[in-house]
This record gives sequence, C-alpha cells and structure tokens, in this order.
Amino acid sequence: QVQLVQSGAEVKKPGASVKVSCKASGYTFTSYAMHWVRQAPGQRLEWMGWINAGNGNSKYSQKFQGRVTISSDPSARTVYMELSSLTSEDTAVYYCARTLRPVVGVVIAGMLNHWGQGTLVTVSS
Amino acid sequence: DIQMTQSPSSLSASVGDRVTITCRASQSINSYLNWYLQKPGKAPNLLIYDASTLHSGVPSRFSGSGSGTDFTLTISSLQPEDFATYYCQQTYSTPFTFGPGTKVDIK
Repeated sequence: QVQLVQSGAEVKKPGASVKVSCKASGYTFTSYAMHWVRQAPGQRLEWMGWINAGNGNSKYSQKFQGRVTISSDPSARTVYMELSSLTSEDTAVYYCARTLRPVVGVVIAGMLNHWGQGTLVTVSS
Repeated sequence: DIQMTQSPSSLSASVGDRVTITCRASQSINSYLNWYLQKPGKAPNLLIYDASTLHSGVPSRFSGSGSGTDFTLTISSLQPEDFATYYCQQTYSTPFTFGPGTKVDIK
C-alpha cells in the first residue's frame, strides 16, 4: 500500500533554513506528482507547491517563491521541501501529499489522496 | 489568487442529522473542487473530488454538488466518526487554495 513517511520534528532559529523529507513506497514513484501543504496552529491548510517526481519540474505558490525549493531523488524514492529565511510565521505542520491521478503529459492533478504524517517545524529564538 | 470561503465556520449536530456545508470560490473554478475531512492531529483525508466524485472507500452518506463558484458537501446521516473539520480546495489554478474549514461537533 502507498506510504509516505516524513522526517521528524525540527526546531529552528529565525533566519535559518529547514529541509523536510518525504519517503514514498508502494507505488511507481516517478508516475506521480507530490505536493507540499502546511498548516499553522489553528489555521487553514496552505498549499506550497508541487513537483513532478518523474522529471523534476516544480511549481510554487507565489507566496513562497524564492524561499522554497521542492526536489526529488527517484533513486531514494524521496521528495524534499526546503524553506529558507524562516520566521515565526513559518511555525506549522508540513505535509507531503501524493496526487490521486498519475501525471499525464503536463497535467498535474491537485486532488491529494495520500498524505504523510506531517512534520512540525517550530521557529523560535 | 482564488479565494475560498466556507459556511458555516462551525456547527453542532447530532448523530443521524443531515448536514450541509457550503463552499464558495471568488471566481469560477468549473468543477475543480475537492473536499477533505481532517481530525485533530491528523492529516486530511480526501472525500470528494471534481466537485461530486466520491473517492474510493468513502461512505455513500457523503455527497458533493455544484460547479462554477458555489459548491456543497452533504452528509446524509451524520455518524460518530464524522465529527471533524471539513475543508474545500480549488484545483482550477495555482496556488491551490483551501477554504477556512467547517468544524462539525457534537450537539
């Protein structure tokens, strides 16, 4: 069965960077896109971006442009999300989530049916 | 960015009640609308995609409807495991924005 296992909780100081990993199993890794979604305490879900695990193409929310990098290592079946210049407002649970449908051409589905367990990133001085 | 709103923000209901949650987009998103359920401390679960398609394994008491800007999620007979927060998400254009959520709790 499909499993997404994320790396553990992180505590970072303001201005630092964090890199969260998401190891996938149970499906053809390069056939699907992976999205990253975060949720600050008591807040709504917030979409950050996606990566096509097959070719490495990615797209980011403008809000995080320049601060976020999503990458993929097919040999390790792992996707990474790195966020830089952290502030207290980046304190949140970060989720990786796989699309329901495989990538078809350039179409990246947005419905997310498999999620990692979440990684809490705390930014505090 | 497309803004998503939901109403109500919260509701109290009893087991067996019919519950309807509304989601509105700031512009037309055709049928690119998904619904998720999230329980405290857990990742969201996909319920409905493409506005009205029930995700595999999701009970048939859940249904979705709508297109354009206005959408609804209906639970025909609320069960104990349905008490949670429900989010809509548009996937018409990036960023794929979510609604603020509707918390359903026990009356």
